Parts: sequence; C-alpha cells; structure tokens
Amino acid sequence: KAGVTQTPRYLIKTRGQQVTLSCSPISGHRSVSWYQQTPGQGLQFLFEYFSETQRNKGNFPGRFSGRQFSNSRSEMNVSTLELGDSALYLCASSPGTGRPYEQYFGPGTRLTVT
Amino acid sequence: AQSVTQLGSHVSVSEGALVLLRCNYSSSVPPYLFWYVQYPNQGLQLLLKYTSAATLVKGINGFEAEFKKSETSFHLTKPSAHMSDAAEYFCAVNSLTGGGNKLTFGTGTQLKVEL
Repeated sequence: KAGVTQTPRYLIKTRGQQVTLSCSPISGHRSVSWYQQTPGQGLQFLFEYFSETQRNKGNFPGRFSGRQFSNSRSEMNVSTLELGDSALYLCASSPGTGRPYEQYFGPGTRLTVT
Repeated sequence: AQSVTQLGSHVSVSEGALVLLRCNYSSSVPPYLFWYVQYPNQGLQLLLKYTSAATLVKGINGFEAEFKKSETSFHLTKPSAHMSDAAEYFCAVNSLTGGGNKLTFGTGTQLKVEL
C-alpha cells in the first residue's frame, strides 16, 4: 500500500496570507490527524477527522481549521498567517475504529512564514 | 491528562554499544504507548507500540521496549547501536478522547552514534 502523502512539501508564505495543506491517507484509513512540529513547542496535536467529521481538537486558535472529504483526504487551512506558524506540519492516518491503532505519518509540509 | 516524559534530550553512544532511551508516562487509565523515530527532514516512523497484549514489545530495526507499570516506564532499548540509528526518537501516548486518536508526544531524544 502507498503511504501517507502530503502536498506541497515546502511552502513559503508572507504574514497575513492564508495557506492550505493537503494530506492523502493510506488506502482504507478513515482517520486523519494533523500535528504541528516546532523547535520550541515540539510536536503538538491540531485536530483529527474521521468520516468527514472533526472528532478531536487541540489547543490552537480558530485560524487553524481543517476538513475531510468523502475519500478520506484531508486539508488543513491556516488563515492570517503569523511568523510563529512557521513549522513542519505532519499528517497521520489510521483505521480510526476500534482500539487505538498506531498512526502512520506522512513526510510533512515545511511552512515558512516571512 | 495523559503525558509522557523523556529523560535526556541528547544521548550519545558508541557504535556497537547498548542504546537506552528513557520514557515515563502519566496516565490514569491503561495507556497505549508508542515509540517513533524521525530522521532529518522526514516524517515520523513507527518503531513499536504497546497496547497491553505483552509487556515486552519488539519493534523494527532491532529495537524493543518494556512496559513496567510499577515504574510507569516504557524505555526503548537496542543491544547494539549502528550508525544508521542516529536520529531523534519520540515517545508518545495515545490520549483517547471521545474514542479518537490524539498522540501526546515527549520532547524527544536526539541519539548520536559515534565510531
């Protein structure tokens, strides 16, 4: 099976702009989670989508939003970008039902805000 | 809230020596614990997982971890380090909230392997 794919891999944006990141999970996986990784805060959970519904949410401002499509692909949007949003954004997929399965991560999207 | 603590942000070992990366967890319910590895400019790769089936868990690349409830620990070990093991390692607990997936990560341990 193909792994988790994320596009784009690298992105440079200016403060105040918005950005959309995309994630395609492993075939058959229905849960997609997003994480932010920064040197200062480490790995932090943003949100999880399952069957097109947000199932869990982390402690991030409303500028961070996401959605999931019927084919389980997910997008994450960040509006009004701030310098502090510069980070590696990781997407992870799992089957999503039953006991907590392991999550499989994509290579990430490196976002730089200038 | 469930959490994990990784002791030692940097660990250095000689090639062929034992690798021991420490992780302690805090959880009011039986935890689901994971170890991930991250190589430079890459995502996270799952090394192994504990889901209460067995206390000694074997993973990929010769790594294993032992779940010790009495010590609330889930340390990662490898008998003989290889240069290719140099990477950052993360311990994580799956914080079940409403039946979903939410990984809470430790701060990571950078492993350096020297000749």
